[in-house]
Amino acid sequence: AQSVSQHNHHVILSEAASLELGCNYSYGGTVNLFWYVQYPGQHLQLLLKYFSGDPLVKGIKGFEAEFIKSKFSFNLRKPSVQWSDTAEYFCAVNLNTGNQFYFGTGTSLTVIP
Amino acid sequence: DGGITQSPKYLFRKEGQNVTLSCEQNLNHDAMYWYRQDPGQGLRLIYYSQIVNDFQKGDIAEGYSVSREKKESFPLTVTSAQKNPTAFYLCASTPDRPSSYNEQFFGPGTRLTVL
Repeated sequence: AQSVSQHNHHVILSEAASLELGCNYSYGGTVNLFWYVQYPGQHLQLLLKYFSGDPLVKGIKGFEAEFIKSKFSFNLRKPSVQWSDTAEYFCAVNLNTGNQFYFGTGTSLTVIP
Repeated sequence: DGGITQSPKYLFRKEGQNVTLSCEQNLNHDAMYWYRQDPGQGLRLIYYSQIVNDFQKGDIAEGYSVSREKKESFPLTVTSAQKNPTAFYLCASTPDRPSSYNEQFFGPGTRLTVL
């Protein structure tokens, strides 16, 4: 079965610490990759996406992610987190020839001021 | 402003009753989706629809039904056959067939509690 794995379920960091959230997927074909964020009480919104080209993609609010095809990974990074980054983060995969999006179980990030 | 509307935000129902959750979009998007979000389980696909009058089951369709009579509307009915209906339900849409490099746009969600 297709799957998306986020191994960090809960992450707690102090402000200014660096962040890396892992995402691995199990599909062998061409994929489109996404990171979504859900701030408390708000809609899910797109942080960044990868379709093709430069495997290092930059998103909103200083986030970036790197697609490593050989590792089936799309890890999310931010050099210095802020209290306002406290949220739940979801990795998602869409097969280039498919109609479904597959989501990971999410990572809850708490940033302590 | 364009967007996806889900109503109501909170919904309470007695066990054994069917309930319909509303999802409306004015983005002129073709594809629409329903997800269920449970703590620690991420988003799981219930149903999706690529065009009007067409829809497909997702991973957890049992106990749910949908219709797509209009492009802008994709209501979800949670039937009494759904064994554990209490959850947060999210509606989403994409502008075209998902393989055309499109992201999903999400509504604010409906929290359903079955008493």
